[in-house]
Amino acid sequence: AQKVTQAQTEISVVEKEDVTLDCVYETRDTTYYLFWYKQPPSGELVFLIRRNSFDEQNEISGRYSWNFQKSTSSFNFTITASQVVDSAVYFCALSDSNDYKLSFGAGTTVTVRA
Amino acid sequence: EAQVTQNPRYLITVTGKKLTVTCSQNMNHEYMSWYRQDPGLGLRQIYYSMNVEVTDKGDVPEGYKVSRKEKRNFPLILESPSPNQTSLYFCASSLRRVVGGDTQYFGPGTRLTVL
Repeated sequence: AQKVTQAQTEISVVEKEDVTLDCVYETRDTTYYLFWYKQPPSGELVFLIRRNSFDEQNEISGRYSWNFQKSTSSFNFTITASQVVDSAVYFCALSDSNDYKLSFGAGTTVTVRA
Repeated sequence: EAQVTQNPRYLITVTGKKLTVTCSQNMNHEYMSWYRQDPGLGLRQIYYSMNVEVTDKGDVPEGYKVSRKEKRNFPLILESPSPNQTSLYFCASSLRRVVGGDTQYFGPGTRLTVL
């Protein structure tokens, strides 16, 4: 069975600091997909990124960047120069070829203080 | 606008009173799913549907029913709600099955409280 672990329950930073969210996953499949979602205080889930297991290139989108390392089964997410609007719960999720769902981590609550 | 809608957004009910949470998508997606979100547990899948009249259990199906009579709608039914079903519920859809790595798009959530 697949599993996603987000060991950090809460992270608090001051505005403009960088913050890195850890995500470690387990799967026996060689083909799988990793996702990050953001849940702001309003409650909706916002899709941020999807990566497949064959693409280990790091990705940058504005202040967001993702570091995918198959060797350590990790898909970490960094927010550079954090802003108050980045305050949210962030979920890492996994799907593979044997399942019909997303397996979510428990989420990391990020609080950015002005 | 492409979206997944859920109704109601907030609901307070009492134990044993049947309720239905509706979910509708306007993207012609094949796959739809229900999740519940609880503190410290992330989101867990309740039921999913790969097509009209095709549904199957997720990880936590006890106490819930679903139906998929039309492609766009996937209601969640609680025949006899209990307090342990107090949770935040999300409906999701994707173009094909998640197995293919399709991105799931989520509704706005329904916060249910069962007294």
